[in-house]
Amino acid sequence: GAVVSQHPSWVICKSGTSVKIECRSLDFQATTMFWYRQFPKQSLMLMATSNEGSKATYEQGVEKDKFLINHASLTLSTLTVTSAHPEDSSFYICSATPRGRENSYEQYFGPGTRLTVT
Amino acid sequence: GDSVTQMEGPVTLSEEAFLTINCTYTATGYPSLFWYVQYPGEGLQLLLKATKADDKGSNKGFEATYRKETTSFHLEKGSVQVSDSAVYFCALVMNTGFQKLVFGTGTRLLVSP
Repeated sequence: GAVVSQHPSWVICKSGTSVKIECRSLDFQATTMFWYRQFPKQSLMLMATSNEGSKATYEQGVEKDKFLINHASLTLSTLTVTSAHPEDSSFYICSATPRGRENSYEQYFGPGTRLTVT
Repeated sequence: GDSVTQMEGPVTLSEEAFLTINCTYTATGYPSLFWYVQYPGEGLQLLLKATKADDKGSNKGFEATYRKETTSFHLEKGSVQVSDSAVYFCALVMNTGFQKLVFGTGTRLLVSP
């Protein structure tokens, strides 16, 4: 149980275009989902926290207009990288906390999406 | 700010060898500590956790003890298997009600037969 999927698993896009990444909790409802970014040989950096039905909370230094997050349902959150540039190339990972377990610090992680901007 | 430091990899071991991956943390309060494992092509999975000083987390033969005096949470296993080859992440979360995980850089473990 507690499976989180991401789609696509990898994507290549041209500079200036936008790309959407989906994060789904497959067998549980998630009131909170998290988006992380991971650079090679570096740790996961939290980008934003999204709660179903409300605006995402972005970490300091993350451009909210560039990284649009929508948590439209209890099983789906999307991250849209707008006007992508090569420096946005990275590995993006989402995680989700099951509904009712918000105080347990449990997070279930997706397998990640590798974005390459050419 | 809060941070986690773990040893650089890769760590290369032969099967049945003893494993230690060091992890130390810096935090203003008393965090909960975690080890996550990432197998190739999969998402991070919680391996074990400890929520207060002197707690020992254990799972699948792995152990880690929360040492407040040395601010450490070293991961150990007495006899590694080839199937343990993965990337291991040490992480903390402050017990403030917010779920913000702070990760180390990850340590790749390679176990050969």
